[in-house]
Amino acid sequence: QKEVEQNSGPLSVPEGAIASLNCTYSDRGSQSFFWYRQYSGKSPELIMFIYSNGDKEDGRFTAQLNKASQYVSLLIRDSQPSDSATYLCAVIQAAGNKLTFGGGTRVLVKP
Amino acid sequence: DGGITQSPKYLFRKEGQNVTLSCEQNLNHDAMYWYRQDPGQGLRLIYYSQIVNDFQKGDIAEGYSVSREKKESFPLTVTSAQKNPTAFYLCASTNTGPYGYTFGSGTRLTVV
Repeated sequence: QKEVEQNSGPLSVPEGAIASLNCTYSDRGSQSFFWYRQYSGKSPELIMFIYSNGDKEDGRFTAQLNKASQYVSLLIRDSQPSDSATYLCAVIQAAGNKLTFGGGTRVLVKP
Repeated sequence: DGGITQSPKYLFRKEGQNVTLSCEQNLNHDAMYWYRQDPGQGLRLIYYSQIVNDFQKGDIAEGYSVSREKKESFPLTVTSAQKNPTAFYLCASTNTGPYGYTFGSGTRLTVV
């Protein structure tokens, strides 16, 4: 079992719709959770981080964390063609500051 | 402006050659990391360093070596022992604490 798992996609979403991305993790002691966006050939850029159970909103993005279910998600509201990218879920596990990444979900927003 | 600089942007290696990828940061970050990314895949940790003169192996350290002689610099050497080095290499840094990483722009290494 991979430590951080994501559906590879592609997740195809009409422009203006909500994109819903999911991520599960295996280390129950994980403390911090991150969503990165990566355009093709570029480095990842941080979108959001979340530490506590519940929802965290930032503009069109909402991160949701459920530690009991070991599940973190990202919602993108009013999806735009510029949101087309690969979204990487990353987790800092109980020991140390290492980020462990999932394989990423490719999102395609169609006009 | 503060940031992380990786060089070169593109690098070509012949079979049996060692090559070194540069990573320099002026963010005064304590911890630095090297990741490898293959097409369509996530990032895999090669090596990391929490303080100067100390570093640890990540998940895929075989065929790679690093040094951390200065806080600002964390070069990665891809040795001839790495049988499939063609990939996108990313350097990252962070202050101690769970605030996510700052990434460099990456080096794309190709074996010719």
